[in-house]
Amino acid sequence: DAKTTQPTSMDCAEGRAANLPCNHSTISGNEYVYWYRQIHSQGPQYIIHGLKNNETNEMASLIITEDRKSSTLILPHATLRDTAVYYCIVRALKAAGNKLTFGGGTRVLVKP
Amino acid sequence: DTAVSQTPKYLVTQMGNDKSIKCEQNLGHDTMYWYKQDSKKFLKIMFSYNNKELIINETVPNRFSPKSPDKAHLNLHINSLELGDSAVYFCASSQDRGFTSGNTIYFGEGSWLTVV
Repeated sequence: DAKTTQPTSMDCAEGRAANLPCNHSTISGNEYVYWYRQIHSQGPQYIIHGLKNNETNEMASLIITEDRKSSTLILPHATLRDTAVYYCIVRALKAAGNKLTFGGGTRVLVKP
Repeated sequence: DTAVSQTPKYLVTQMGNDKSIKCEQNLGHDTMYWYKQDSKKFLKIMFSYNNKELIINETVPNRFSPKSPDKAHLNLHINSLELGDSAVYFCASSQDRGFTSGNTIYFGEGSWLTVV
């Protein structure tokens, strides 16, 4: 699976949008972009994923550039409970043996 | 109604002991995983089982032996525990749809293992 690069940490103001960038310049055509987050002392939580098109769900929006070499996770109205480590993962789906390979992630601190 | 549940949540044990961590999922998934998160907070996959069959084994020491009695359960048994085994162990599950995109992996809350 392709490697991703994310900033180590970022701060965000409560109530404002949080834009989390991710570079995946070596992504292949069959690889999806997944985002997970891990709140302190909890298990990783699925947020969203996409292949080419932008995606939106109740938690966040995912914007993927046209060349697919980078993406941005948008938390539209960050709350204090969004403080977590956010992982951008690029992953090819296989017939079997699918897995997630986690990097260091971005430590997001939402401040009042 | 926890989807992926692990027990125990906390475990403190002495070096050399044998211990097990149990995992159950009620999502009807056919694939289950064990991940390890060490003190540096990196999450790494250890094992994956699909329909009770071992699919992934990421060069984990033989002291670690997963056992899947059925699709809903994947237990992790660790023999001769070492200090370096201290970590958080996460169980996870997914419905392996192969090449389709709906292959979301759901994680449990983790089991904190401390070896003293």
